Order: sequence, then structure tokens, then C-alpha cells
Amino acid sequence: SAVISQKPSRDICQRGTSLTIQCQVDSQVTMMFWYRQQPGQSLTLIATANQGSEATYESGFVIDKFPISRPNLTFSTLTVSNMSPEDSSIYLCSVGAEGAGETQYFGPGTRLLVL
Amino acid sequence: GEDVEQSLFLSVREGDSSVINCTYTDSSSTYLYWYKQEPGAGLQLLTYIFSNMDMKQDQRLTVLLNKKDKHLSLRIADTQTGDSAIYFCAESSRSQGNLIFGKGTKLSVKP
Repeated sequence: SAVISQKPSRDICQRGTSLTIQCQVDSQVTMMFWYRQQPGQSLTLIATANQGSEATYESGFVIDKFPISRPNLTFSTLTVSNMSPEDSSIYLCSVGAEGAGETQYFGPGTRLLVL
Repeated sequence: GEDVEQSLFLSVREGDSSVINCTYTDSSSTYLYWYKQEPGAGLQLLTYIFSNMDMKQDQRLTVLLNKKDKHLSLRIADTQTGDSAIYFCAESSRSQGNLIFGKGTKLSVKP
């Protein structure tokens, strides 16, 4: 399985600021995804990070609020822009496992608290 | 849209078997997954089953799939205190591979 790291692991931010979360994978992967897990809730897909093109966003998520970069096959960033307390969540990066159907492996997550 | 349902809590005694149940609505699901999330940690893939299978066993874990009833279960034999965590059921049916998750079942194992 792929080894996935995320930075930062946690942060406390002020309302109105932005935070960029990094996701690094130890091997080249085709599919990378960003999920949000709100407190006590399940995971919701934010977007699919596409290498060399704009990310594909799910309903309810927009590029202006959650800009995503995917400069190569091992790295992606998610920015949470103009944060409000409602953005307090765990943000998780995941990658599709090559040759294992649609299995996904997840990073450790970034725990964000917005005051 | 697609939906995945799980009971929220399960409590068992150490050494007993745990059975966590999940139902889903999307009949075109191709893969179904079980993930484990320990407190303060990310998601760990436990196992997955392809939709044309009825059962998959991996050491203490047994996954049963009833495709007709759209019901998936995870049995953990000889449950240990280290098994205490939240278990998420997820399904995938889109070619892009994104997952639809249930709300998670919190398993508490009492000594």
C-alpha cells in the first residue's frame, strides 16, 4: 500500500484566514482525492485532484473556497480559504491503489480548528 | 442519491465476536469496504469485497455480502480491546473511484 503523509497534522486558525494542506505520496498514483470529516460525522468527498488539469469538485464544494493543486503524480495541496468556524474538520487526502480495483488508502488527516 | 447506513454504536465483551452491519442503496456498487478509525488517527483500510463475492475471510475478519438485500457485515472474531474504534462501511460504484461512506459504527470492547 502507498505511504501517505499530510502537513500540517493539526492547526488552529483565525476566522478569515486561509490554510494550505499538503499531501505527499511515496509512489506515483493516478487518482488523488480530498475528503472532509466534520466532527462526529462521516467522510464527504470534496474533490478529485487531477494531475495537469483543474480539480473535479463535488456538489456543494467550489474552487474559490477549496482551491486544489496537483503539480505531479505524488503531491497535492488543498487550501481552505477565508475560513469560518464551520470549516473546523478533519481534512483527509486519499489515493487510489493502482491495480486493486477502486481501493483507496488514506493519509493521517489534518485536524483544523477555526476560532 | 447513493446512501450507506450503519448503526452508530456496538458494545461487546473482550473475547466475544463483534458483528457490524451496513446497508447501501446503490445497486451498481462494485466494491464495498471496511475502514477502521482509531481515536485521533486517519482511516485504515481493513478489507474490501468485490460485488460478485458472497464472503471474504482474512484472519479474524469475515465480510459477508448479501447483494440482493444490499447488506454488508463485518465480523471480528475474538474481539480485543485494541479493536475499539469507529468502523466505516463504504461503497464505490463510479468509474472515478470516489467512495460513499456510512456514518461509522463506534465499537467499544469491555474487558
